[in-house]
Amino acid sequence: AQTVTQSQPEMSVQEAETVTLSCTYDTSESDYYLFWYKQPPSRQMILVIRQEAYKQQNATENRFSVNFQKAAKSFSLKISDSQLGDAAMYFCAYTTGTASKLTFGTGTRLQVTL
Amino acid sequence: GAVVSQHPSWVICKSGTSVKIECRSLDFQATTMFWYRQFPKQSLMLMATSNEGSKATYEQGVEKDKFLINHASLTLSTLTVTSAHPEDSSFYICSARDLGQLSYEQYFGPGTRLTVT
Repeated sequence: AQTVTQSQPEMSVQEAETVTLSCTYDTSESDYYLFWYKQPPSRQMILVIRQEAYKQQNATENRFSVNFQKAAKSFSLKISDSQLGDAAMYFCAYTTGTASKLTFGTGTRLQVTL
Repeated sequence: GAVVSQHPSWVICKSGTSVKIECRSLDFQATTMFWYRQFPKQSLMLMATSNEGSKATYEQGVEKDKFLINHASLTLSTLTVTSAHPEDSSFYICSARDLGQLSYEQYFGPGTRLTVT
């Protein structure tokens, strides 16, 4: 079964600094999709960034970027120039596409301090 | 674009009664919708996958007779919690896939907080 592991229950970063959230996954599939979702206190799930496994280039969305290491089955999220609004739970998620359903990690709570 | 709504956002019901939660895709068609349950400070737990015009697929351990799912159109799925008990109190979230998109991301509703007294 596919599993997603987030080993950091909580992280803290100072405003304007950079932080990296870790995620590893286990799968026997060769084609799949990975996502980072943000859940702020409102509890609305927001897509931060996506990565297709067949693409070697790491995805980037403004201040958010990933380090996708397919062989190591690692998918970390880097947040640059952290802002107070980045404070939230961050969930790493995986899907094979055909199965459609997402498998979520346990989440990392990110605090942003002044 | 890609907005999903849920109604109600918060509901309180008495033990033994049933409550229905609606999930709508507002600006896209969704052949597949998903229902999750989230306990405080925990991750999302998939309850079932809902496909338009067919029976829902429930995850292991989820009682299909208790959590009734109907996906009658390409924009609406409903979750009915039957004979609710206090242990059913939780945060329920739905999501939907956009039929017109090749990506496999899911768009999430804002969630429904259910409290059973």
